[in-house]
Amino acid sequence: DAGVTQSPTHLIKTRGQQVTLRCSPKSGHDTVSWYQQALGQGPQFIFQYYEEEERQRGNFPDRFSGHQFPNYSSELNVNALLLGDSALYLCASSLADRDRNEQFFGPGTRLTVL
Amino acid sequence: AQTVTQSQPEMSVQEAETVTLSCTYDTSESDYYLFWYKQPPSRQMILVIRQEAYKQQNATENRFSVNFQKAAKSFSLKISDSQLGDAAMYFCAYRVEYNFNKFYFGSGTKLNVKP
Repeated sequence: DAGVTQSPTHLIKTRGQQVTLRCSPKSGHDTVSWYQQALGQGPQFIFQYYEEEERQRGNFPDRFSGHQFPNYSSELNVNALLLGDSALYLCASSLADRDRNEQFFGPGTRLTVL
Repeated sequence: AQTVTQSQPEMSVQEAETVTLSCTYDTSESDYYLFWYKQPPSRQMILVIRQEAYKQQNATENRFSVNFQKAAKSFSLKISDSQLGDAAMYFCAYRVEYNFNKFYFGSGTKLNVKP
């Protein structure tokens, strides 16, 4: 059973560019959440997708957008990259059933903005 | 607002000894979950232990146990018989029961294990 996978592993971009990160949830999971983890910090919630819709959003600007596909995989898009967007981006998947709700994390994508 | 605070940026423990990592949180909710996650240098976040707020009994998973003090809003992690493989960043996390997927994380504690 494959766990949460993310691609790419590393990415280097320049300011002003756009980036797309991808996530495949753990088998059987229907909900995907994205987190930004700056160096030396804990993960910060960006947004969550369920049934192909954004269900919740953290305190991130509209430059951060996402999508969920019918197979539950998800993309995170960041436009007009800033130096401060450099971070580890984590994807976590779970089941919408709140009683069994436990998040499983992927290995992350390390984004560097130059 | 919900916040999670880990006041120990870094800790060290001798192999085979016991160490306790601290976590406090702030919430006005009564139903919530608390978690400890481990993030080794390989980066993948792994769940160590979870605690339901409505349960008075402290959770235990092998060498890992918690001391949950609901009134004090404290949730510490005790690691017994520390092993070299326990070296990692440890994050305390909180989730409100109704807001079922949004986790709030602390800033983490780096645990070093000395042979």
